[in-house]
Amino acid sequence: QVQLQESGPRLVKPSETLSLTCDVSGYPINSDCFWAWIRQPPGKGLEWIGSVCHTGTSYYNPSLESRVTMAVDTPKNQFSLKLSSVTAADTAVYYCARREAQDLWAFDLWGRGMMITVSS
Amino acid sequence: DVVMTQTPLSSPVTLGQPASISCRSSQSLVHGDGNTYLSWLHQRPGQPPRLLIYKISNRFSGVPDRFSGSGAGTDFTLKISRVEAEDVGVYYCMQATQFPYSFGQGTKLEIK
Repeated sequence: QVQLQESGPRLVKPSETLSLTCDVSGYPINSDCFWAWIRQPPGKGLEWIGSVCHTGTSYYNPSLESRVTMAVDTPKNQFSLKLSSVTAADTAVYYCARREAQDLWAFDLWGRGMMITVSS
Repeated sequence: DVVMTQTPLSSPVTLGQPASISCRSSQSLVHGDGNTYLSWLHQRPGQPPRLLIYKISNRFSGVPDRFSGSGAGTDFTLKISRVEAEDVGVYYCMQATQFPYSFGQGTKLEIK
């Protein structure tokens, strides 16, 4: 059974860097492109942050591109998100997800999500 | 960038009655490979979204057949033939045809 699990600090200070990791279990991370981060501010809709492949290829939301870095760690079977210079507007539930690449080309697997708060 | 627009944003429905949600994209979602990567997701409060429909009209594993998707190009529809209590929540359309990926604003389905 494939599972995704987000981890990282739940409280980040303004102007600092938010760092999250998504552990993938039950599936080799180098078997698919792309792995994604998606966020949801309280009471609002879903926002795609970006997607990364084990090859190193990545795509980011233009509205966040200057602050986002994603990477895949194949030996650890996990991928990561770094979002720099955070503000209160970055407070949200952060989800990691898989975009199935063989046929669906849709987000078929999701982590449970982590509520990240930006506050001093 | 592709903008996804859903209507309505809120839909009160009676149990056992049908429901319909529309999604329009600002550009054609037909990929160069001929497929259209439009999907629908459902999110219950406090839970992550779950995939319902992929490539316009294909039901994901375990999704009841009362859910159906249709459309082409820039106009798409999700239909629920007979709404059940477990169907409440927010429905999102999403395009994965081109980067940056984008979601609709969401449609909240409520029981009257």
